[in-house]
Amino acid sequence: GENVEQHPSTLSVQEGDSAVIKCTYSDSASNYFPWYKQELGKGPQLIIDIRSNVGEKKDQRIAVTLNKTAKHFSLHITETQPEDSAVYFCAASKRSNDYKLSFGAGTTVTVRA
Amino acid sequence: DSGVTQTPKHLITATGQRVTLRCSPRSGDLSVYWYQQSLDQGLQFLIQYYNGEERAKGNILERFSAQQFPDLHSELNLSSLELGDSALYFCASSVGWGGNTGELFFGEGSRLTVL
Repeated sequence: GENVEQHPSTLSVQEGDSAVIKCTYSDSASNYFPWYKQELGKGPQLIIDIRSNVGEKKDQRIAVTLNKTAKHFSLHITETQPEDSAVYFCAASKRSNDYKLSFGAGTTVTVRA
Repeated sequence: DSGVTQTPKHLITATGQRVTLRCSPRSGDLSVYWYQQSLDQGLQFLIQYYNGEERAKGNILERFSAQQFPDLHSELNLSSLELGDSALYFCASSVGWGGNTGELFFGEGSRLTVL
């Protein structure tokens, strides 16, 4: 099955700095890559996603890039704010597996005021 | 609020026991997914139902079973519980399945502690 690796496992940044989380996937057939944010005591929530026909997608301070050749994708958060502190999960899925999501292990992001 | 309701929020039980976790999907969503979140293993997909029928199975143990009822709520049954089953169990729902899955909406989880 699909194997998604996520790095780093923890990330501490100064407020206002950028945060970058990277994920790699094993199955070249994967074509849908969402990112979920999980705040303390809550369930994961979709914050941005990208499909394999697009190389980059941006939504305000959040952007995701995809390199299909290298089979990796990244989440970029600019101008970080304290409310960005959470656990972030990347995931990958493919059509032939009914788009069942395989998640990375998560990155705990802490934004220092 | 995602619109997905899970009960109970917390559950403490002993090894060998059986528990049932319940999930009500968002209004209009036909697919229900169950995930297990352990400290060291992230989110592990267990099983998916669409409109009452099983659609996909992940790393779900034989001691675990699930079903989706005609009113679309779902239950995850965990039996012969072991210490290692202690985890957060998430339910998620979506409009469709496969290429029409759409966004997954997660509930707040049920925290199971097996003593």
